[in-house]
Amino acid sequence: SQQGEEDPQALSIQEGENATMNCSYKTSINNLQWYRQNSGRGLVHLILIRSNEREKHSGRLRVTLDTSKKSSSLLITASRAADTASYFCATDYRNQGGKLIFGQGTELSVKP
Amino acid sequence: DAGITQSPRYKITETGRQVTLMCHQTWSHSYMFWYRQDLGHGLRLIYYSAAADITDKGEVPDGYVVSRSKTENFPLTLESATRSQTSVYFCASSDWNSPLHFGNGTRLTVT
Repeated sequence: SQQGEEDPQALSIQEGENATMNCSYKTSINNLQWYRQNSGRGLVHLILIRSNEREKHSGRLRVTLDTSKKSSSLLITASRAADTASYFCATDYRNQGGKLIFGQGTELSVKP
Repeated sequence: DAGITQSPRYKITETGRQVTLMCHQTWSHSYMFWYRQDLGHGLRLIYYSAAADITDKGEVPDGYVVSRSKTENFPLTLESATRSQTSVYFCASSDWNSPLHFGNGTRLTVT
């Protein structure tokens, strides 16, 4: 299976704290993507990081990619209650004629 | 309006019936995907398509059939629905090396 793994599965923090979620994958990738899903809703794209990139930022979000360790992390700084959601990484293996596979997600709860 | 549309939003069907979920995108994206989402499993890829008339199996293709005669449409058919296929189904599209754009999902219940 090419499915990556995310940890932690669940994370509970206080408003203002930082939240870090990790994603590991198994073989070479084209890019790695992070998505957010609010309960009962569709998925919203957050950041895409390509295999030749090491770090990307978007507002309070910071994503890193370590291809030697086959891992990525998503950092949300100064979290807010509105950040409460599930966060998924998706690994893009299409450069190998492969697929775009999601991890099982991290459920983040930010308490006010 | 540009976007990706799934229909129906909700569907209840009986075991053994054939049901087709529709997906239509207006961006002319080359890639289209079908995922199912179940509690505890995240999103699992059912089938995907790199272009019209090109489809390939994902992680959980058994019991499903897809076709893509036109770039903009990617229907998913459950040939003989089973209770284990009760799930939320998401369609998505993208270009090469680009993010996915998701539809709002179809909640399917098989009784």
